[in-house]
Amino acid sequence: GESVGLHLPTLSVQEGDNSIINCAYSNSASDYFIWYKQESGKGPQFIIDIRSNMDKRQGQRVTVLLNKTVKHLSLQIAATQPGDSAVYFCAENNGRDTGFQKLVFGTGTRLLVSP
Amino acid sequence: DTGVSQDPRHKITKRGQNVTFRCDPISEHNRLYWYRQTLGQGPEFLTYFQNEAQLEKSRLLSDRFSAERPKGSFSTLEIQRTEQGDSAMYLCASSLSGATNEKLFFGSGTQLSVL
Repeated sequence: GESVGLHLPTLSVQEGDNSIINCAYSNSASDYFIWYKQESGKGPQFIIDIRSNMDKRQGQRVTVLLNKTVKHLSLQIAATQPGDSAVYFCAENNGRDTGFQKLVFGTGTRLLVSP
Repeated sequence: DTGVSQDPRHKITKRGQNVTFRCDPISEHNRLYWYRQTLGQGPEFLTYFQNEAQLEKSRLLSDRFSAERPKGSFSTLEIQRTEQGDSAMYLCASSLSGATNEKLFFGSGTQLSVL
């Protein structure tokens, strides 16, 4: 079952290249941001997160950069592999005043990795 | 499998029929969320439970939608008198309150098609 659309912004890379996926968020009061990976027919899978008191966080092959001045997030994937092909979503937490994770998702980006 | 599970994976129904979806969260998670995802879009928040209490509902959740979590474990989402506009992927997520950088874990969703 296809759960994401065919007309998303698409980034095509070669295997082994580094990928950079960008996202603009909307709420300057958001204090927590997450990147999710979604493969066809599956739910979003957590990749990496960052709090607003940081501007960079690194994981295994992934790095998230946060620029609060321009409300911009990026996800960098090093040495991209075919298994990284998916739709990537950034999400911001708008639940700061409610105490729970009320995520607002951005427009996804489809990453296509060619062998 | 100790992740979030949803049932059924796919549901095809005729307009006007009622449908019910089930979500089993990760066992120790006290928070449960429902999101809806339409083609080409990121998931949108529908509702949130802390234990058995439904603490927030989105304006997206019309009167035809009702969600329950009777014993604070599994949850059901019912849609009455389905409309073609209800066709979407319905995603359930769970989390543990109080965890550092509380993370939402999503299920694989129920794909609803209303004919």
